[in-house]
Amino acid sequence: NAGVTQTPKFRILKIGQSMTLQCTQDMNHNYMYWYRQDPGMGLKLIYYSVGAGITDKGEVPNGYNVSRSTTEDFPLRLELAAPSQTSVYFCASRFGGARAEAFFGQGTRLTVV
Amino acid sequence: QQQVKQSPQSLIVQKGGISIINCAYENTAFDYFPWYQQFPGKGPALLIAIRPDVSEKKEGRFTISFNKSAKQFSLHIMDSQPGDSATYFCAAVNHGGSQGNLIFGKGTKLSVKP
Repeated sequence: NAGVTQTPKFRILKIGQSMTLQCTQDMNHNYMYWYRQDPGMGLKLIYYSVGAGITDKGEVPNGYNVSRSTTEDFPLRLELAAPSQTSVYFCASRFGGARAEAFFGQGTRLTVV
Repeated sequence: QQQVKQSPQSLIVQKGGISIINCAYENTAFDYFPWYQQFPGKGPALLIAIRPDVSEKKEGRFTISFNKSAKQFSLHIMDSQPGDSATYFCAAVNHGGSQGNLIFGKGTKLSVKP
C-alpha cells in the first residue's frame, strides 16, 4: 500500500517552460487536492477534485491546471513557469466522509529560474 | 473569515518541557479541527483532531484544548522530546461548504533542545 505518490521529487524549470507534476493514490479516495507550501505561509490550496471528471479551483489557482480522468490520478500542470511558482507542492487525498483523514504525498520541490 | 491564525511562528522548548501552540478562527461553520505534524522533507501527517462539541482531547503526550466561545484551540505537547521537533499546522474544516477543504494555519516550527 503506497498511499499518495508524487513524482518528481525535485525539478528545476526555466522561466516559460511547462511541466506536469504527477500524483497517484491507491486508497480509492474520491477527494484529491493540490497544495503549495511556501516558507512561513502554511499550505495553500491550488485545486481540488471530488471525483473523476470533477475539479474546482482553490485559493491560488492562477498559472495552474488540473485534470482528473481516473480515481487514482490527479496531475497538476504548470504552463509558462514563473519564479513565483517556486515552491514545494503537495498532493493529498481522502475519503469524502465527515472528518476523514487527509493523506499527503512527500512533496515535489520546484525551482523556477 | 476563512483564515486560521496560528502562533507562535517558532518555538524552542527544552526536553521535558511543555510546548503550546495556539490557533484562532472566525468562521463558526468550521466543524472539525485537525492538527498536522510535518518533518523536514516529508508531507504533513495527521497528529490529532477534535470536534467543536468537545473541550479537550488527549492522545498520549498530545492534548487539544478547544474553546468554542472564544473560537480558539491549542495543542499542548507534554514532556516534549527531541523527536517532536517538527512543524505543526492547525487546520479547520467546514464539511458543509467548500467540499470539506482543509484551511491551514501558517505553521509553527518546534525545536526541542536535549
